[in-house]
Amino acid sequence: DAKTTQPNSMESNEEEPVHLPCNHSTISGTDYIHWYRQLPSQGPEYVIHGLTSNVNNRMASLAIAEDRKSSTLILHRATLRDAAVYYCILIVTNAGKSTFGDGTTLTVKP
Amino acid sequence: EAQVTQNPRYLITVTGKKLTVTCSQNMNHEYMSWYRQDPGLGLRQIYYSMNVEVTDKGDVPEGYKVSRKEKRNFPLILESPSPNQTSLYFCASSRQTQLDTQYFGPGTRLTVL
Repeated sequence: DAKTTQPNSMESNEEEPVHLPCNHSTISGTDYIHWYRQLPSQGPEYVIHGLTSNVNNRMASLAIAEDRKSSTLILHRATLRDAAVYYCILIVTNAGKSTFGDGTTLTVKP
Repeated sequence: EAQVTQNPRYLITVTGKKLTVTCSQNMNHEYMSWYRQDPGLGLRQIYYSMNVEVTDKGDVPEGYKVSRKEKRNFPLILESPSPNQTSLYFCASSRQTQLDTQYFGPGTRLTVL
């Protein structure tokens, strides 16, 4: 199964942009890249997803490398409420499985 | 309110005593899934269901059973729990498939003594 690799932890200052990287060098052509985040004591929640093109929504932006072997989740202005574990996962089109990695713990400093 | 509910939220039990964790969604979703979360191991998928009466194994199915007799419910069954099944369990659902946004329940913290 295709796997993702993320840094264990990252820090950011409040009000500054945050770039969370994800490597997925074994991605196949039809795998979607999804990002979820998990706030303390809660279940994961959806952030954004994409296939090939960069994507924007009200929460974040997703930048996907041209070769699709890596992607970056961008939080444009981090707030204290963005402190969470961020998961980058590959969703395989032709299988029902959904495999999360270990995620990146984001700490936001005031 | 659209939501995924799990019961119980907390459970302490003993080795070998059969238990069921219930999961219910009110969004008419086709896809449902169970995950377990352990420190340092992230979220791992146990079982998933693409539709009523259709279930399949995830990455860590050993020691678990599921059933999907109705669209809204997807119970997780531990026939003979063991201490290595002590974990935080999450149920999730999505509109059609795993490609759609998954909505997670609040979690069930299980301790097996």
